[in-house]
Amino acid sequence: EAGVTQFPSHSVIEKGQTVTLRCDPISGHDNLYWYRRVMGKEIKFLLHFVKESKQDESGMPNNRFLAERTGGTYSTLKVQPAELEDSGVYFCASSQDWTGTHTGELFFGEGSRLTVL
Amino acid sequence: SQQGEEDPQALSIQEGENATMNCSYKTSINNLQWYRQNSGRGLVHLILIRSNEREKHSGRLRVTLDTSKKSSSLLITASRAADTASYFCRRTSYGKLTFGQGTILTVHP
Repeated sequence: EAGVTQFPSHSVIEKGQTVTLRCDPISGHDNLYWYRRVMGKEIKFLLHFVKESKQDESGMPNNRFLAERTGGTYSTLKVQPAELEDSGVYFCASSQDWTGTHTGELFFGEGSRLTVL
Repeated sequence: SQQGEEDPQALSIQEGENATMNCSYKTSINNLQWYRQNSGRGLVHLILIRSNEREKHSGRLRVTLDTSKKSSSLLITASRAADTASYFCRRTSYGKLTFGQGTILTVHP
């Protein structure tokens, strides 16, 4: 069974450009999470999808970030326009059924490293 | 940090020694999980401990939870060079999932 896959693994862009990160969760997983880690700091929650709906997007830093999960399968995270402070590693994770509490194991992708110059 | 801390931030030991990492949090939790991240890879789930549990074991891993002190510890016994990684605790609190900044463990052969 394929794990969580993320693309691209590394992206280098200029400030002001746009980048779209993609996450394919494990097939059948309703929950999909985006996290970000900046330069050795804590892993920060960005948002949580249950199927195609945004369950919690309280961690999204500002309106330059847009996440979608059309059809409840893969998800994209678009940063437009990118700023220097957006550099970091963006992790996607998925888990199975949503029961209203986060008790399940998260399965992580290997992350997409974003470098904004 | 609002979410709490792992400490130490970095730990360097010799193979065969035990490694202890701690995780503190600030609000009540439903459960706490420990994850490992090898360099350049995604996080891998290690062990979950629920708020009504005090200790759990899995192989060479032992996790304790002290809800009165709002802290958890992860003990890796008889460490191996392959245990070199970053270790994170993940807290589930009031519907929120948070991670700390992790402990970087280096095990020297």
